[in-house]
Amino acid sequence: RKEVEQDPGPFNVPEGATVAFNCTYSNSASQSFFWYRQDCRKEPKLLMSVYSSGNEDGRFTAQLNRASQYISLLIRDSKLSDSATYLCVVNYPGGFKTIFGAGTRLFVKA
Amino acid sequence: NAGVTQTPKFQVLKTGQSMTLQCAQDMNHEYMSWYRQDPGMGLRLIHYSVGAGITDQGEVPNGYNVSRSTTEDFPLRLLLAAPSQTSVYFCASSKSRTGVYNEQFFGPGTRLTVL
Repeated sequence: RKEVEQDPGPFNVPEGATVAFNCTYSNSASQSFFWYRQDCRKEPKLLMSVYSSGNEDGRFTAQLNRASQYISLLIRDSKLSDSATYLCVVNYPGGFKTIFGAGTRLFVKA
Repeated sequence: NAGVTQTPKFQVLKTGQSMTLQCAQDMNHEYMSWYRQDPGMGLRLIHYSVGAGITDQGEVPNGYNVSRSTTEDFPLRLLLAAPSQTSVYFCASSKSRTGVYNEQFFGPGTRLTVL
């Protein structure tokens, strides 16, 4: 079993749609969680950190469920510019080891 | 402020050759790391450094060496290139390993092909 698992997609949604991605992780002692965005043939960039109480940044909402060991990302009112691969990232205790999921591809269509 | 820079952007090697991928950051970050990204797989940690003179192995270190003589630079050396090392390599840095929500900043990547 992979340490961090994501549905690879692709998710094809129309503009204005709401889409949700889930990510599960295997190490219950994982310390911190992030969503990164990666555009085609570009480097990953931080989208948002995921806090225990859940957090929102504009159209993006991240949730953490430690009991079930998953995190989620909700995108509301999708834009064409949201088309990208979304990477789930988990830090192990101590902060040295960072595990990336393989990513979920999103295509937003006009 | 250039952030994290990597050279070269593209490289083709023959099996058995060696080369060094360069990485530099100008943000005075303590923590630097090297990842490789292969299709269908997440980024995998090769080596990391928590400061000048200190390096350690990540998940897939075999075939690679690193050193950190300065805070700014963290080169990755391929000793004897093999086709299995064909990949996209990303260097990243963050302010510190400590602190739960440290953002990693990535360089633009090096696309390496080993024939």
